[in-house]
Amino acid sequence: SQQGEEDPQALSIQEGENATMNCSYKTSINNLQWYRQNSGRGLVHLILIRSNEREKHSGRLRVTLDTSKKSSSLLITASRAADTASYFCATDAGGTSYGKLTFGQGTILTVHP
Amino acid sequence: KAGVTQTPRYLIKTRGQQVTLSCSPISGHRSVSWYQQTPGQGLQFLFEYFSETQRNKGNFPGRFSGRQFSNSRSEMNVSTLELGDSALYLCASSGGQASYGYTFGSGTRLTVV
Repeated sequence: SQQGEEDPQALSIQEGENATMNCSYKTSINNLQWYRQNSGRGLVHLILIRSNEREKHSGRLRVTLDTSKKSSSLLITASRAADTASYFCATDAGGTSYGKLTFGQGTILTVHP
Repeated sequence: KAGVTQTPRYLIKTRGQQVTLSCSPISGHRSVSWYQQTPGQGLQFLFEYFSETQRNKGNFPGRFSGRQFSNSRSEMNVSTLELGDSALYLCASSGGQASYGYTFGSGTRLTVV
């Protein structure tokens, strides 16, 4: 079963604009991760934020985590056509949940040149 | 270094048959997880292996099984295939410290006819 919801389900923007995707989850987590998937291929790990962190940056990516609201957001700044993909948040409960990530339904991002 | 390698990339099987998928993790990674991705259910965790031992299992019927070899390569097997088993099967490897995220393979696209 899915951990939670991602919002929006689809996002269409122009190159150069910022894209924000939101993720909500239901249970306690050890960390939350964001992945990108291009056209039904494998997932690419983008960024990981631990439960005791509130914000993290990596290049054009900024992720926030609010554990009190059980939500996270991913911001992609100055988007490019190459950023067109599906984006998934995934939670890791830690402990004995070895190897198990629980994924959201994903946001389909389309960046128009 | 080489990424996670999954073979074959595509597979077409008939209902009732069985299938074996292979995953070679990143060199040095001892944890291999398997996921099923379908349009309806999204990404769902199948199982995880570490040092040839299954440490975690998702909510799938017993027709889905796996194993890991001493070189950390993993296989998953699906017996008595059903149409609903058509999916993209992804494996992911990690160095054992999940706090660094997972590296996914490109997946095996299984079609059951």
